[in-house]
Amino acid sequence: QSALTQPASVSGSPGQSITISCTGTSSDVGSYNLVSWYQQHPGKAPKLMIYEVSKRPSGVSNRFSGSKSGNTASLTISGLQAEDEADYYCCSYAGSSILYVFGTGTKVTVL
Amino acid sequence: EVQLVESGGVVVQPGGSLRLSCAASGFTFDDYAMHWVRQAPGKGLEWVSLISWDGGSTYYADSVKGRFTISRDNSKNSLYLQMNSLRAEDTALYYCAKDSSGGGWYATIDYWGQGTLVTVSS
Repeated sequence: QSALTQPASVSGSPGQSITISCTGTSSDVGSYNLVSWYQQHPGKAPKLMIYEVSKRPSGVSNRFSGSKSGNTASLTISGLQAEDEADYYCCSYAGSSILYVFGTGTKVTVL
Repeated sequence: EVQLVESGGVVVQPGGSLRLSCAASGFTFDDYAMHWVRQAPGKGLEWVSLISWDGGSTYYADSVKGRFTISRDNSKNSLYLQMNSLRAEDTALYYCAKDSSGGGWYATIDYWGQGTLVTVSS
């Protein structure tokens, strides 16, 4: 099972919106509405930002939103802030054999 | 407050064995599935293993299948990972993580520990 494909880096200025893509296959992202997104600051543990494609856990800013089309899921950060600078990973359910697969990760830089 | 505290990470020779532990608190441990996820130095996240709430179902990534064994002791609120036949490519920070469901059905990991470092080197 290969990792889901994410862009290595995405950048934006404060206040702008950016979108991170997460491309899988018809065996994972395309088959299940079970995609989650995690934020990881340097030296810290990951934090859940989005689950089940577009649901936001309590406490997570509504500037973060998720969506999916076909084999590609996306995370959008609106009103970009300096604190959003971090690595972001998607994760998808991949069936009863493999179970889970993470994305390659995207470094978000706030210019 | 949910707390997950990993321990057991050390430097071990290739071919060696190691047992990681994770002490959980702040939630009803035996209601939830638990994961191990690892991150090699400077690399991305890799899912390693999942165990259901009662230990009745276990799952593994292909990269560790047959070498690693996940287990839990609900009476001690503890999660374990027995690692055998270790290879250099197993070098990573190993995170203990809580699933949002009892069976790991929703691909949602809602809490993570701080990790324990395993280094496989001669």
